[in-house]
Amino acid sequence: GQQLNQSPQSMFIQEGEDVSMNCTSSSIFNTWLWYKQEPGEGPVLLIALYKAGELTSNGRLTAQFGITRKDSFLNISASIPSDVGIYFCAGQHLDTGGFKTIFGAGTRLFVKA
Amino acid sequence: DGGITQSPKYLFRKEGQNVTLSCEQNLNHDAMYWYRQDPGQGLRLIYYSQIVNDFQKGDIAEGYSVSREKKESFPLTVTSAQKNPTAFYLCASSITSGSSTDTQYFGPGTRLTVL
Repeated sequence: GQQLNQSPQSMFIQEGEDVSMNCTSSSIFNTWLWYKQEPGEGPVLLIALYKAGELTSNGRLTAQFGITRKDSFLNISASIPSDVGIYFCAGQHLDTGGFKTIFGAGTRLFVKA
Repeated sequence: DGGITQSPKYLFRKEGQNVTLSCEQNLNHDAMYWYRQDPGQGLRLIYYSQIVNDFQKGDIAEGYSVSREKKESFPLTVTSAQKNPTAFYLCASSITSGSSTDTQYFGPGTRLTVL
């Protein structure tokens, strides 16, 4: 079946540094979504991307839908301690019965003050 | 406030017992989903429902059952047949299911521990 490769698995950074993570697949997706999950909570939607090449920002977060439709990246600028959490990408692709969503395994971000 | 609620937040059960996790949404969403998350892992789809009185198996449905009698409710039962039920369970909903713009919104999760 469809798979998303999310990298890196984890990141340990200093407060103030910029962060970049990405998701890739061998298959084409129609939509890319980025979520953040804090410990013991459900994922919260950060950014949704619907067109190839689309670049969207949400505060210090910027995400792009790759031109090939097979990848997406998320950047966080000037990280702060509350950025700590797990960041998930999700891709939607056309399957039998309609569009299906699959999730990457997550990138665990640790920020040192 | 509109949103998705899951209860309880923490649940303990003895081996061999069935247990039901609640998920309610007041977003007027047609589609609802259940995921399982294990430590250090991503989300795995258990069941989903696109409309009332209809639901489909996801990737790991064995040992679980669901019902969708009302639009706003999608309870998940973890049966004694589920061999390793200890996990974090997440419920989600979306306006519809099957569209390329169906964004899923998540509840706060229920942590189930089998003793």
